[in-house]
Amino acid sequence: GAGVSQSPSNKVTEKGKDVELRCDPISGHTALYWYRQSLGQGLEFLIYFQGNSAPDKSGLPSDRFSAERTGGSVSTLTIQRTQQEDSAVYLCASSFPRGGGSYNSPLHFGNGTRLTVT
Amino acid sequence: ILNVEQSPQSLHVQEGDSTNFTCSFPSSNFYALHWYRWETAKSPEALFVMTLNGDEKKKGRISATLNTKEGYSYLYIKGSQPEDSATYLCALRSYDKVIFGPGTSLSVIP
Repeated sequence: GAGVSQSPSNKVTEKGKDVELRCDPISGHTALYWYRQSLGQGLEFLIYFQGNSAPDKSGLPSDRFSAERTGGSVSTLTIQRTQQEDSAVYLCASSFPRGGGSYNSPLHFGNGTRLTVT
Repeated sequence: ILNVEQSPQSLHVQEGDSTNFTCSFPSSNFYALHWYRWETAKSPEALFVMTLNGDEKKKGRISATLNTKEGYSYLYIKGSQPEDSATYLCALRSYDKVIFGPGTSLSVIP
């Protein structure tokens, strides 16, 4: 079946512009995660959704970052007034719902969006 | 604060060598421990998800163990091959939040 889809795959933007990154998870996956990988760094947690709600937004780097999810499906990550330090690969992942207390579902990743802020 | 650590940061081995990496994590609020392989220009792929203390998982030449009481997991690769070259990530699930370690970069020299 279809995997996690992210768009665009590459985005070059000028400093100060707003950008929107999109993630379309695997159908039926209620959990959705956003991570980013800056150059030479590991995967940094940004935010996760369970359904449409985001119980933990603690990973968002600043108030320029926001994310929403509608219909328990597609999610958008918005970065306002982009800065050069926002340049990174942004990865989205989805996971099966927790059923019967089971936590053994892995994350399924998209191919990422490479954001370059000039 | 959930802090997941991995060692070594990078590793170079000869083809045919066996190797292992370590993942350490806080044992409180543990729900599951994940291992992923991340090859260049691809997205991370799940290798194992382990939930129980003493769990051992195996897939081909790769295996993993879990000790939740002391907060560590080992990943073993037997008879490394060039196609095993990748970054190996472990991740701690604490309820719904999944936090990744910095990864171990493995290069297998033919």
